Amino acid sequence: GQQVMQIPQYQHVQEGEDFTTYCNSSTTLSNIQWYKQRPGGHPVFLIQLVKSGEVKKQKRLTFQFGEAKKNSSLHITATQTTDVGTYFCAGRRETSYDKVIFGPGTSLSVIP
Amino acid sequence: DTEVTQTPKHLVMGMTNKKSLKCEQHMGHRAMYWYKQKAKKPPELMFVYSYEKLSINESVPSRFSPECPNSSLLNLHLHALQPEDSALYLCASSQEPGTAYEQYFGPGTRLTVT
Repeated sequence: GQQVMQIPQYQHVQEGEDFTTYCNSSTTLSNIQWYKQRPGGHPVFLIQLVKSGEVKKQKRLTFQFGEAKKNSSLHITATQTTDVGTYFCAGRRETSYDKVIFGPGTSLSVIP
Repeated sequence: DTEVTQTPKHLVMGMTNKKSLKCEQHMGHRAMYWYKQKAKKPPELMFVYSYEKLSINESVPSRFSPECPNSSLLNLHLHALQPEDSALYLCASSQEPGTAYEQYFGPGTRLTVT
């Protein structure tokens, strides 16, 4: 079946450093969504990427969708303590119209 | 109102109890979801309701029984649960069914089965 993988599993950075998490799928994705979950919180939608090679920015966050639509990345410039949390990518399962598969997530810690 | 609410926030139940989790949204969304999330794991889809009809059941044991009384409400009825069912249960909704739409998650119900 379709698998969505993310690396790294954990990342500890000094405040002000950059951070990147990578999402890889075993199959082509129709779209990819990114969610952030703060400790003790619930997932919150960040962005959706649909087109091959698409790049979107939200302030210090840059999201990319690979040309083959099998991978994606989230890059945070100059991390802040408010960036702490787990970042999940979620892609559409090839056999199901209304289901997304969540990647295992990357947990980000920011050391002040 | 862009909020999904869930009650209760916490629930402790014995293996012989029957309880229900409730979820509500007033955004006019036509798809609603139940997820189970264990610590340090991603949300795991359990059920999807599209236009108040069950469209996906991810082979969830029958001790979990979903119900969608109307377009704003989603329930999850629990009966004879096992300790391994202890987890955070998240409800979500999206404007329409289909993965082109972002999901709005509720705060979750933290369930402990003793």
